Amino acid sequence: QKEVEQNSGPLSVPEGAIASLNCTYSDRVSQSFFWYRQYSGKSPELIMSIYSNGDKEDGRFTAQLNKASQYVSLLIRDSQPSDSATYLCAVKALGSARQLTFGSGTQLTVLP
Amino acid sequence: ETGVTQSPTHLIKTRGQQVTLRCSSQSGHNTVSWYQQALGQGPQFIFQYYREEENGRGNFPPRFSGLQFPNYSSELNVNALELDDSALYLCASSLGRQGENHGYTFGSGTRLTVV
Repeated sequence: QKEVEQNSGPLSVPEGAIASLNCTYSDRVSQSFFWYRQYSGKSPELIMSIYSNGDKEDGRFTAQLNKASQYVSLLIRDSQPSDSATYLCAVKALGSARQLTFGSGTQLTVLP
Repeated sequence: ETGVTQSPTHLIKTRGQQVTLRCSSQSGHNTVSWYQQALGQGPQFIFQYYREEENGRGNFPPRFSGLQFPNYSSELNVNALELDDSALYLCASSLGRQGENHGYTFGSGTRLTVV
């Protein structure tokens, strides 16, 4: 079982719709959770972080965390074509390096 | 405040050769982490350097090695290149070995192609 799993996609939504991206993780002691956006040929860009159970909103983005279910999600409201990218879920480990463990990403396409 | 910079941006090497990739940390950051991202995959942790010493390593063979310099810039060296080493190599800097709870900001990466 992979440590961090995401819907492989691809996911297509019409412009203006809500895009829902999901992620599960296996390490119960994980404390920090992140969503990165990666455009084709570019490096990942941090867009959201969440540490506590519940919702965290930032503009059109909402991250949701449920530690009991080991589940984290990202909602993108009023999706725009410019949101078309691969979205990576990452979990921070408790090892000495506090390294990030990434899922393989979900490719999102927002159709005009 | 300057961000993380990496060089070169692109590189083509032949199987069996050696390569050195470079990373300049964000101002004030003393920790550097390196990741490898193969096509269609998420980044994989290679290793981290804190104050010039290795502070954790992922599941990569010894032919992947690194250095961190007194100014906190860093190098990633890969010996005996294999075709599967073709990937985007990402560097991230941060402050402190364990203190930070937030995510990393990556540099723009080095695209390595091994032929």
